[in-house]
Amino acid sequence: EAGVVQSPRYKIIEKKQPVAFWCNPISGHNTLYWYLQNLGQGPELLIRYENEEAVDDSQLPKDRFSAERLKGVDSTLKIQPAELGDSAVYLCASSITPNTEAFFGQGTRLTVV
Amino acid sequence: KQEVTQIPAALSVPEGENLVLNCSFTDSAIYNLQWFRQDPGKGLTSLLLIQSSQREQTSGRLNASLDKSSGRSTLYIAASQPGDSATYLCAVRSNDYKLSFGAGTTVTVRA
Repeated sequence: EAGVVQSPRYKIIEKKQPVAFWCNPISGHNTLYWYLQNLGQGPELLIRYENEEAVDDSQLPKDRFSAERLKGVDSTLKIQPAELGDSAVYLCASSITPNTEAFFGQGTRLTVV
Repeated sequence: KQEVTQIPAALSVPEGENLVLNCSFTDSAIYNLQWFRQDPGKGLTSLLLIQSSQREQTSGRLNASLDKSSGRSTLYIAASQPGDSATYLCAVRSNDYKLSFGAGTTVTVRA
């Protein structure tokens, strides 16, 4: 069974440019999460989806970040415009339901220069 | 807001020694707790999920205990090997399903 797939693995962009990350969750997983992880810290939740509905986006900086999960499967996280402080690893995870075991992808390492 | 703390931040042990990793959380109203492993530059690998009604969960050389009332969980790794070197993260799922992470304990097992 394929795990959570994220792309790209690495991205380097100049500040003020837009960037997008893509996530394909495990088949049959209704819950999808986007996390941000800074070096030496634990992941912090950005947004959680139940099917196509964003049920927890309280930590998403909505002035520059947006996310979507069309048809309740794949998801895209976008930053526009990117700032130097956005440099981090962006992790996607999925679970069958919101209270079951979460599985993570390999992450996208973003560097903003 | 749930606060999750992992102490120590780093640990170095000789091969064969048992590992004891600690996790504490501030709000005991949890649904479950999950332990993860993270290798450098990689994503998180799930190790164990322990439900709030359980006292412990075992998988091979790994054993996780949970004392919900005192807000503590401990991950035991028996007979450590160099391949166990990684960062171990504890994540607590609150009753609102929010999954909150600690900063992790970085383990080095010396051959």
